[in-house]
Amino acid sequence: GNSVTQMEGPVTLSEEAFLTINCTYTATGYPSLFWYVQYPGEGLQLLLKATKADDKGSNKGFEATYRKETTSFHLEKGSVQVSDSAVYFCALSGSGGSNYKLTFGKGTLLTVNP
Amino acid sequence: GAGVSQSPSNKVTEKGKDVELRCDPISGHTALYWYRQSLGQGLEFLIYFQGNSAPDKSGLPSDRFSAERTGGSVSTLTIQRTQQEDSAVYLCASRRDRERLPLHFGNGTRLTVT
Repeated sequence: GNSVTQMEGPVTLSEEAFLTINCTYTATGYPSLFWYVQYPGEGLQLLLKATKADDKGSNKGFEATYRKETTSFHLEKGSVQVSDSAVYFCALSGSGGSNYKLTFGKGTLLTVNP
Repeated sequence: GAGVSQSPSNKVTEKGKDVELRCDPISGHTALYWYRQSLGQGLEFLIYFQGNSAPDKSGLPSDRFSAERTGGSVSTLTIQRTQQEDSAVYLCASRRDRERLPLHFGNGTRLTVT
């Protein structure tokens, strides 16, 4: 079945530091890939997505590139802010008959200190 | 409404009691999902509705868990004879159809079984 593995946290950075959260996946066919973010006390929100190989999703200064050759979708941001403190989830939506279901990683807690 | 609404936001119950959790999806969204978020476990898929039918119930952890959806809108997740291991945040999500659009999440119901 489909699975997502993301780096375990927590990750603690200082403001303006560079962020990478690794995500790799296992899936058949051509899944779509997502990063969701959960701010304290809130539900999950879509941060960015990519639907085919070599696509780059971007939003709010975050980027992730769909790498089929390495089955990866690493999240990056060049300069984090305190307001980026949240839990980040990598997810995939399968192709074909299983495209209705999102499979999530376990989440990575990011804390950004001033 | 503007987003997915879940109620109650918090529920504390005694072991052995039954609980009902409610989800109001975004109007017009035919696909509805329940996930469970436990500490250290990430998001665990429970059940998927397309309209009023549930073609995938594979994530329900035991026969104490059930869910229904009426009128293609509101869904209720019922947990009978609650156990302490049921303590978690239960998240509902919806989207317009089963295809590759992102899910929209509610803020969840935090269930604590004492």
